Amino acid sequence: AQSVAQPEDQVNVAEGNPLTVKCTYSVSGNPYLFWYVQYPNRGLQFLLKYITGDNLVKGSYGFEAEFNKSQTSFHLKKPSALVSDSALYFCAVRDLNNNDMRFGAGTRLTVKP
Amino acid sequence: ETGVTQTPRHLVMGMTNKKSLKCEQHLGHNAMYWYKQSAKKPLELMFVYNFKEQTENNSVPSRFSPECPNSSHLFLHLHTLQPEDSALYLCASSQPGQGAYEQYFGPGTRLTVT
Repeated sequence: AQSVAQPEDQVNVAEGNPLTVKCTYSVSGNPYLFWYVQYPNRGLQFLLKYITGDNLVKGSYGFEAEFNKSQTSFHLKKPSALVSDSALYFCAVRDLNNNDMRFGAGTRLTVKP
Repeated sequence: ETGVTQTPRHLVMGMTNKKSLKCEQHLGHNAMYWYKQSAKKPLELMFVYNFKEQTENNSVPSRFSPECPNSSHLFLHLHTLQPEDSALYLCASSQPGQGAYEQYFGPGTRLTVT
């Protein structure tokens, strides 16, 4: 079965600096990869996804993610962090061969002014 | 808003109570999901429905009973819960099948079992 690992529970960044939230995955075949964000007292919101093609995927709110097949990674990035980006971020993977989406444990991003 | 609503937003229940969580989606999707979110743990997929048919039950205890009367509504019936069942319960919907379909989540029901 597919799985996802988010190695960092917490990431702290100063406002205006670039941010990276890490994700590695494991699937038996080709993956669909997703990033979601969760603000306090809200459900998860879809940010972006990788299906195939260009390894750099652009999503909502200026976020992007880079798919690296050799490293089985799909790190989330943003060139310049905002305080309002502070939230819980989840990486998810879906195997092409089944209907399940598996989520990581989440990374709490804190952007300080 | 994502087009997925959940009620109630907060629920406190005793171990002998029976209660139900409700989810409604206004997106025209035909797949619906229940997840359990506990602190610092991956989201746990509980149940999946495709076109009102349950297609997955991830070894969920029988004290959780789902119901999907139509493609827009999903319920989670709760009875004789344990304190460790306290968590945020999230409902989601998507297009069905094996495509790269993202899921749309409701705000969740924060459940506390006393």
